[in-house]
Amino acid sequence: DVKVTQSSRYLVKRTGEKVFLECVQDMDHENMFWYRQDPGLGLRLIYFSYDVKMKEKGDIPEGYSVSREKKERFSLILESASTNQTSMYLCASSPNGVRDTQYFGPGTRLTVL
Amino acid sequence: LAKTTQPISMDSYEGQEVNITCSHNNIATNDYITWYQQFPSQGPRFIIQGYKTKVTNEVASLFIPADRKSSTLSLPRVSLSDTAVYYCLVGDGRSGNTPLVFGKGTRLSVIA
Repeated sequence: DVKVTQSSRYLVKRTGEKVFLECVQDMDHENMFWYRQDPGLGLRLIYFSYDVKMKEKGDIPEGYSVSREKKERFSLILESASTNQTSMYLCASSPNGVRDTQYFGPGTRLTVL
Repeated sequence: LAKTTQPISMDSYEGQEVNITCSHNNIATNDYITWYQQFPSQGPRFIIQGYKTKVTNEVASLFIPADRKSSTLSLPRVSLSDTAVYYCLVGDGRSGNTPLVFGKGTRLSVIA
């Protein structure tokens, strides 16, 4: 089974803090994704990566950056957290192209106070 | 990318068959139709994919008419554990540079 793990299930940070959300997949997938999910808005794509050190903006990249130094790890960075970044963050990976079936992690619920 | 439209929410009683329809009027020739299921407090998971006619697996059936402009996810005899959000995605699964869009999905509530 594909396993996608996220570093924390729950995280509480203060406004202005730098926040790192880590995602690791164990199936040698080429592609990785970061989404946020908010009530009534569905899943919205923040960034995705189709290879090591490669990244592409999704629909809502503002206020976020990403890092992919190793194939199995994709990090989401909030340079200066704000209260409107309180959300559920979901990481996913896919094997054969960015439109292939995605495998999701359990999510990190981030609260910014 | 083909845009999809699905109901925001549906309610059903336990034991009933539930059909969730997704409209995708501008589906392209190479596009597949994929459904994901998301339980509360979990990430979405793939449940079924099809191109035409009917596909069935242990979780659901997917019905796709000849014109492929819509598709129906069918869940037989739902139970409380089928309460989830169901997403319909349309696109060519292997080519293209941009991921498929999940959208808001259909929130299914199963009532005892």
